[in-house]
Amino acid sequence: ETGVTQSPTHLIKTRGQQVTLRCSSQSGHNTVSWYQQALGQGPQFIFQYYREEENGRGNFPPRFSGLQFPNYSSELNVNALELDDSALYLCASSFDFTGAEQFFGPGTRLTVL
Amino acid sequence: AQRVTQPEKLLSVFKGAPVELKCNYSYSGSPELFWYVQYSRQRLQLLLRHISRESIKGFTADLNKGETSFHLKKPFAQEEDSAMYYCALQWASGSRLTFGEGTQLTVNP
Repeated sequence: ETGVTQSPTHLIKTRGQQVTLRCSSQSGHNTVSWYQQALGQGPQFIFQYYREEENGRGNFPPRFSGLQFPNYSSELNVNALELDDSALYLCASSFDFTGAEQFFGPGTRLTVL
Repeated sequence: AQRVTQPEKLLSVFKGAPVELKCNYSYSGSPELFWYVQYSRQRLQLLLRHISRESIKGFTADLNKGETSFHLKKPFAQEEDSAMYYCALQWASGSRLTFGEGTQLTVNP
């Protein structure tokens, strides 16, 4: 069984640029959630996708958007990057969205200069 | 709005001593609470959830709705328990989680 994978591991961008982060969910999982973890903070919920549809969103602006594909992998896109977007971005997959255990990936470290 | 508070950012104990990591929450609905752990250079993973009422690696946590707390306890800490611990609240429909800021536990030999 393959766990949750994320790419890239690290990324450096400049303010105003756009970035795409990728996540492959664990085999058999149809739900993907994305979290932002700033330094010294706990993860903060961005949004969740279930069977290719957005299934809830946290308090993040519209420049944070996502996609889920038929194989349940997912992308997180961030437009017009700001310095405060620098963080570890975590992806978590679960069997469904009704409270099943979430399995986390290793994260993508984004630095915005 | 839902909120999770972990009042201690750092906690240091000696091996064999009892340990308690505190977690308080605010949520108007029926809460489901979790403890996640992140060992050094490893990914975040579920330690335990209150509905399972299990003891994992010697850790237990009791949901106290009156005090809105979900403290994590272990009677005899081990060096391998050193890690970052996050308390998390599941809210609304769906498996979205609100995390606390985390407590870094260090167990000294």
